[in-house]
Amino acid sequence: DGGITQSPKYLFRKEGQNVTLSCEQNLNHDAMYWYRQDPGQGLRLIYYSQIVNDFQKGDIAEGYSVSREKKESFPLTVTSAQKNPTAFYLCASRSRTNSPLHFGNGTRLTVT
Amino acid sequence: GENVEQHPSTLSVQEGDSAVIKCTYSDSASNYFPWYKQELGKGPQLIIDIRSNVGEKKDQRIAVTLNKTAKHFSLHITETQPEDSAVYFCAATAGFSGNTGKLIFGQGTTLQVKP
Repeated sequence: DGGITQSPKYLFRKEGQNVTLSCEQNLNHDAMYWYRQDPGQGLRLIYYSQIVNDFQKGDIAEGYSVSREKKESFPLTVTSAQKNPTAFYLCASRSRTNSPLHFGNGTRLTVT
Repeated sequence: GENVEQHPSTLSVQEGDSAVIKCTYSDSASNYFPWYKQELGKGPQLIIDIRSNVGEKKDQRIAVTLNKTAKHFSLHITETQPEDSAVYFCAATAGFSGNTGKLIFGQGTTLQVKP
């Protein structure tokens, strides 16, 4: 059963701690993306990667970091430099140029 | 910067009625326009998409229209059912490119279908 798996579903951290969100896909998709969702603001692009070992900043990359060492995996680290880290984080992937984007079921991060 | 405006923010209809959600985009180079449906606690799911060389696309009860001159596109749901209740997002590509994952999203419309 192919898909995009994000774990954990809920994550709680103390302010000042870095935290890494997992995203794994078994769809053999080339490109992977991280979006952030806040109430009333739609989704905003954090980082994306079109091939292994390469990634680009999106619109709100400050305070985040990523890696793409394997085709199947695209973890996102929320660093202590991110001023408002509490949000719903969505990972997505697509197979090739001009194909639709497919999303995982998200991780809700709460930082207190 | 690039922007997508979506209206209305909430929409309530009776079961069986039609629902229309409208979006406008700012980047005339945008060439791909998907619509997503998001249920509570889940990720968005693609329901229909349209490319800039097409004016209208239909899939059963769902249709999307695109007016490139006016830079707006709309989602039409006919014969609404309670299971259509969800948050709907429109999106447009950030510029003219094959990167259909680099999207600018609207703010979302919460659709409620009353039985």
